[in-house]
Amino acid sequence: EAGVAQSPRYKIIEKRQSVAFWCNPISGHATLYWYQQILGQGPKLLIQFQNNGVVDDSQLPKDRFSAERLKGVDSTLKIQPAKLEDSAVYLCASSYFGLAGVGNEQFFGPGTRLTVL
Amino acid sequence: KQEVTQIPAALSVPEGENLVLNCSFTDSAIYNLQWFRQDPGKGLTSLLLIQSSQREQTSGRLNASLDKSSGRSTLYIAASQPGDSATYLCASPFGPASKLTFGTGTRLQVTL
Repeated sequence: EAGVAQSPRYKIIEKRQSVAFWCNPISGHATLYWYQQILGQGPKLLIQFQNNGVVDDSQLPKDRFSAERLKGVDSTLKIQPAKLEDSAVYLCASSYFGLAGVGNEQFFGPGTRLTVL
Repeated sequence: KQEVTQIPAALSVPEGENLVLNCSFTDSAIYNLQWFRQDPGKGLTSLLLIQSSQREQTSGRLNASLDKSSGRSTLYIAASQPGDSATYLCASPFGPASKLTFGTGTRLQVTL
């Protein structure tokens, strides 16, 4: 079974530029998550999709971050314009179900390391 | 609000030792608890998931326990190897949705 795929693996941009990250979840997984992990911290959820609908985007800085999952499969996360504090690893995860009570297990991709100069 | 704490932040042990990593959470009404491993520059690898109705889960040399009443989970690693060196994170869903709240991790180094 193929895992969660992400690209690119690394990205270096200057502040105020825009950047996009792509994620392809495990086949058949209805739920997709984007997390931001700042160095030395645990991951923080940015947005959760159930199929192509948004379940939770309460911690997404909507003035600069956007995400979509148009066909309910792969997803794109965009930052425009980027700030220095956006430097982090952006992790994509997927799970079969979207409810914790169903014993949901999340599987993570390798992440995209973003450096904003 | 669920808060997850991991102690110690870093741990160094010689090869062959058994060790325990600790995870504490503030909201005992958790649905499950998941342990992950993260290698430098890599994503997270799921190690074990313990349902709220379970007390422990085992996979190879790893054993994770869950005590909801005390708000604690432990990850036991038997006969540690240099390949076990990584950061170990625990996480629990915040509410019925599956958004995970993570601890800050324990960085483990197993020396020869």
